[in-house]
Amino acid sequence: AQSVTQLDSQVPVFEEAPVELRCNYSSSVSVYLFWYVQYPNQGLQLLLKYLSGSTLVESINGFEAEFNKSQTSFHLRKPSVHISDTAEYFCAVSEPGGSYIPTFGRGTSLIVHP
Amino acid sequence: KAGVTQTPRYLIKTRGQQVTLSCSPISGHRSVSWYQQTPGQGLQFLFEYFSETQRNKGNFPGRFSGRQFSNSRSEMNVSTLELGDSALYLCASSPRGAEKNTEAFFGQGTRLTVV
Repeated sequence: AQSVTQLDSQVPVFEEAPVELRCNYSSSVSVYLFWYVQYPNQGLQLLLKYLSGSTLVESINGFEAEFNKSQTSFHLRKPSVHISDTAEYFCAVSEPGGSYIPTFGRGTSLIVHP
Repeated sequence: KAGVTQTPRYLIKTRGQQVTLSCSPISGHRSVSWYQQTPGQGLQFLFEYFSETQRNKGNFPGRFSGRQFSNSRSEMNVSTLELGDSALYLCASSPRGAEKNTEAFFGQGTRLTVV
């Protein structure tokens, strides 16, 4: 069975500072990995995903994540955050060839201070 | 293209009552999944429907049920409500045809409060 651990429940950071949101997963097979973002009173939106190929994936708004198979990690990074990045971020994993239903981590609340 | 629509957005029910939540997926999407989101447990998978059939099921009691109609719209029902059922219920749709690695598109959710 797969599982996802998001090591930080809350990450406070100042505007324009870099940030890293950590995600580790456990799975006995190859995986697909996702980061979703949830703004207040909204559903989840896909930020980026790793399916295969290049281990570094990027989103259109400056976030990137790197798949590290040896460390079973998929940490999310941004070199300079904005106030508007304040949101809940969820890491998720699914297994190709299985049900494809993603398992979500408990989320990390990113709080960007001016 | 319209997104995933969930109704109602907010709901207050009394313990012991039942409730039905509705989800209209993106046009052309045949898979609908339901999740329960709470501060303590995070996002937990309830069930997935594809072409009117329940294809996957999470670890929830039988009080939680769902169905999907021929137009892919889905409903979930919770009977004999408990205080612990208070949560944000999220619906997600995806094409889930040959390309099974597609993303899930989420609705804004229904906030259920049980008093």
